[in-house]
Amino acid sequence: DTGVSQNPRHKITKRGQNVTFRCDPISEHNRLYWYRQTLGQGPEFLTYFQNEAQLEKSRLLSDRFSAERPKGSFSTLEIQRTEQGDSAMYLCASSLSYDTQYFGPGTRLTVL
Amino acid sequence: GENVEQHPSTLSVQEGDSAVIKCTYSDSASNYFPWYKQELGKRPQLIIDIRSNVGEKKDQRIAVTLNKTAKHFSLHITETQPEDSAVYFCAASSYNTDKLIFGTGTRLQVFP
Repeated sequence: DTGVSQNPRHKITKRGQNVTFRCDPISEHNRLYWYRQTLGQGPEFLTYFQNEAQLEKSRLLSDRFSAERPKGSFSTLEIQRTEQGDSAMYLCASSLSYDTQYFGPGTRLTVL
Repeated sequence: GENVEQHPSTLSVQEGDSAVIKCTYSDSASNYFPWYKQELGKRPQLIIDIRSNVGEKKDQRIAVTLNKTAKHFSLHITETQPEDSAVYFCAASSYNTDKLIFGTGTRLQVFP
């Protein structure tokens, strides 16, 4: 499968715990994006990378969220001290610059 | 700020009828307008896109039109089939950032 992959697919955690998600983009894609989607809403932009450089981060993104793409390939999204409001589907997408964004299957986070 | 409005939120049609979904964007710098289809529990998948140098684009039963002056773009599906039933999202991005701003989605139901 040469599409975007994400792990884990589901994560249940208790409030206050830290969680980390991984995204593996399509191999030749230099751009990688993170979005969050809640039930009944469209995906909401969080941050994106060109190679290993983080180019933009949403102003809505709390300091508890951090993302990395250390070697310009896979990326991780970490949420520290999770809150119930963090429960959502976290989607990763990848693309070539200014080209179609292809989405992964998402990681569904449930914070109890 | 950047905003994309999408209407209607739900749309029910008889198989074989046409369906039209409309979006309005606020950022005059927007120049790329993709449409994604998302089935329940699945990832968003691109069905068609248009750039601001084109007024209309068609791919078999699907077409997208763009009115830059009015900041409107629309998705047209002809000869609808039950497998077209899904949630459709419009989105917009601009030349100075690759992030997608999504609409709130339209749930399309096609009845046999």
